[in-house]
Amino acid sequence: GESVGLHLPTLSVQEGDNSIINCAYSNSASDYFIWYKQESGKGPQFIIDIRSNMDKRQGQRVTVLLNKTVKHLSLQIAATQPGDSAVYFCAENRGSTLGRLYFGRGTQLTVWP
Amino acid sequence: DGGITQSPKYLFRKEGQNVTLSCEQNLNHDAMYWYRQDPGQGLRLIYYSQIVNDFQKGDIAEGYSVSREKKESFPLTVTSAQKNPTAFYLCASSIQGAVGNQPQHFGDGTRLSIL
Repeated sequence: GESVGLHLPTLSVQEGDNSIINCAYSNSASDYFIWYKQESGKGPQFIIDIRSNMDKRQGQRVTVLLNKTVKHLSLQIAATQPGDSAVYFCAENRGSTLGRLYFGRGTQLTVWP
Repeated sequence: DGGITQSPKYLFRKEGQNVTLSCEQNLNHDAMYWYRQDPGQGLRLIYYSQIVNDFQKGDIAEGYSVSREKKESFPLTVTSAQKNPTAFYLCASSIQGAVGNQPQHFGDGTRLSIL
């Protein structure tokens, strides 16, 4: 069925390494994608978004890559820090222009010192 | 500071009781949303509102009700008809209009449990 999903539920990296969190989507109508970070007991925090007319977008220490051919989204975090430990969600709009987002289950990122 | 305030942080419900979760935003956003999050799960949409005095059901609206009488406020009532209300409830808001899709910004949630 159609879903926003993640290839890996958990990811462990060493401090200073780069992290890559993946997300698969199956709805070809999706043209807006967004990554959130959620720390324990808090609400999701916006990290970065990308529209389908782009295949790469960079922020501070983060890069989002969009491959529309294989319907794949990834979040790269450079020089991962302990404060990056959290659950990361991707979301897609499935073509909606009404602001609706559809969320994946999330990936737990753990950063080892 | 601008943001979204959810209250209370923790809430307990007795059997047969309705409870109301508060969500207030001072971001001047038109759209507001309520999500439910269960352990190890993503966010599921309960209700959303694009404008004052109007709202639409999301994917899991049964057992919930909302109102949008003011732009800043979007309270969620968990009714006694919701048989499994224990969850983390998140409110969000976003800009709407001709600018296309925009990020939703979230509050820090209310954790609801059954007594």
